[in-house]
Amino acid sequence: AQSVTQLGSHVSVSEGALVLLRCNYSSSVPPYLFWYVQYPNQGLQLLLKYTSAATLVKGINGFEAEFKKSETSFHLTKPSAHMSDAAEYFCAGDFGNEKLTFGTGTRLTIIP
Amino acid sequence: SQTIHQWPATLVQPVGSPLSLECTVEGTSNPNLYWYRQAAGRGLQLLFYSVGIGQISSEVPQNLSASRPQDRQFILSSKKLLLSDSGFYLCAWSENGLAGAVTGELFFGEGSRLTVL
Repeated sequence: AQSVTQLGSHVSVSEGALVLLRCNYSSSVPPYLFWYVQYPNQGLQLLLKYTSAATLVKGINGFEAEFKKSETSFHLTKPSAHMSDAAEYFCAGDFGNEKLTFGTGTRLTIIP
Repeated sequence: SQTIHQWPATLVQPVGSPLSLECTVEGTSNPNLYWYRQAAGRGLQLLFYSVGIGQISSEVPQNLSASRPQDRQFILSSKKLLLSDSGFYLCAWSENGLAGAVTGELFFGEGSRLTVL
């Protein structure tokens, strides 16, 4: 079955440290892949998307993600965490069936 | 530019009462429309989606229903709420792509927080 898996429901990093949020997909054909961010009591907004044009994708707020077919992964990174990055992050995949399949989310906490 | 409006933002309802959440999109035509529910610690659950007026696909069996009476209007309803219906409900839209593919991103509303007591 086609799915998206996020490893780690909670991640804590110190301010200024590297942020790494993990996402893997399961599908015989690589899907389009997305990362969304959700701040408390708000809707989701797109951080970045992979649509096969380039494997390294840069998004808003200094985030980037690299698509690795051999690892079926699309991990999200940011070199230096900022307090404003504290939020919940969702990875999602478009498997060509009119809807996005979301992972269960990772809550990112930034330690001052 | 396109905008999405969702209301009410907050709702407290007794068990057994009806529900109506409304979502409208402006600035685009024939969008795909979606209702998601976000329960505490459980990620996003797709409830319904629609690729056109009167076309509703249900993802999970439940006491909720959805309707799309107009091209850019999507309504989530229930005749009798259950405690388990509490959660954060999100409406979203996307461009209506070819062959069922989502061509780009989903655009989300600000959400409606429902508490059933």
